[in-house]
Formats: sequence, C-alpha cells, structure tokens
Amino acid sequence: AQTVTQSQPEMSVQEAETVTLSCTYDTSESNYYLFWYKQPPSRQMILVIRQEAYKQQNATENRFSVNFQKAAKSFSLKISDSQLGDTAMYFCAFMQNNAGNMLTFGGGTRLMVKP
Amino acid sequence: KAGVTQTPRYLIKTRGQQVTLSCSPISGHRSVSWYQQTPGQGLQFLFEYFSETQRNKGNFPGRFSGRQFSNSRSEMNVSTLELGDSALYLCASSLGRGGNQPQHFGDGTRLSIL
Repeated sequence: AQTVTQSQPEMSVQEAETVTLSCTYDTSESNYYLFWYKQPPSRQMILVIRQEAYKQQNATENRFSVNFQKAAKSFSLKISDSQLGDTAMYFCAFMQNNAGNMLTFGGGTRLMVKP
Repeated sequence: KAGVTQTPRYLIKTRGQQVTLSCSPISGHRSVSWYQQTPGQGLQFLFEYFSETQRNKGNFPGRFSGRQFSNSRSEMNVSTLELGDSALYLCASSLGRGGNQPQHFGDGTRLSIL
C-alpha cells in the first residue's frame, strides 16, 4: 500500500513571496502519477499540477512548479508570487498507474497568504 | 459545461438511519469516484465506478455501498449510520481511468450524524 506524508500542517507566506510545500511518499511501484490539489474554504478540490513519474522534467503550471525527486520519493510544490487567493488547504496525492482512479492523499498543509 | 454536481449539499441524520448521496458527473465523463473527508482520517478513497461497474473499493465496511447508472450518475448509500460517519463526502469524475485523465471534484455533501 502506498502512503503519502505532508510534514507541514500549517504554513504562512507574505503576498508576492515564494513558498514551498513538502510531500514525501512511499511506494514499491515504478510507474505512477503525483498530484497537488488545492481545497479553498469553498470545499471544491481543484487540481493544481500533475507529475508523471517516468518524466524526469519537473511539471510547471504558471506560478506553480514541483521539485520531483524520484529516488528520494519527494514531491514538493513551489508557489511563486503568492496571491491572497492561494490561501487554501493543499493536498499531495498519489495514483498508481494502471490501477484506475484511486487517489491516496496526504494529510494536507493549510497555507495562509498574508497581505 | 456544468461541473460535478453533488446533492444534497448538507444532510443531518441520526444514528441507525440510512442515507443516499448523489453525484452527477461532468457530461461525457464515465468514471466516478467517491472519497470521505474527516478531520481525523483525512481524505480516504471509498470506491470507483466506470461504465456501471465498481472497479476499485477502499477499506470501508459493507455499510458503504454505491452504484452507477447508465447515464454515469452515481449514488452512494450508507446504512446503519454511526457517529463516525459524519464527514464531507466528495465525488470526482473523469473521462476515463488513469492518471492522464484529470479528475474533477464536486463541492461535496456535508453529512452530520446526531
């Protein structure tokens, strides 16, 4: 079974600054996907970024980028130029390839962006 | 295009009752997955349906069940409700199966057990 660990329950950052959220995972699989989801107070889970394990290049989506270290089983999220709207819970998630749509989530990091 | 719709948004039940939650996926999406979110256990996978068949099931007791209809709408049922079933139940839909098919989540149903 896979496990996902987010070691930072809460973080804060000043508007316009950069913040990095940590995520580690444990799996014996070599083929998988990793995700970061954002859940604002409105409750809807929104996909922020996705990484395929077989791709060495780190994924980027505008102000969001990841640092994927496969050997270390680490998958951190960097948010640049933080905005007030980035305030939310952030969840790291794992999906095994060829095993359907089952996501295994970490415990989440609550991020507050301060003006 | 309408997003994933979950009804009802809020629900209050008492112990021992049963409840049915509904999820309408994005038009054209054939996969629906359900998750339970609680402060103590976090987000846990319940089950996944694709083409009216359950494809994956999480580690939940048999009181939790679900089904998917021919139009891809899905329902989940919880019988003999317990206090610990109080949670936010999230539904996600995707076109197909696998990590290259982004999952889109609904706003969830907040279930409270008294």
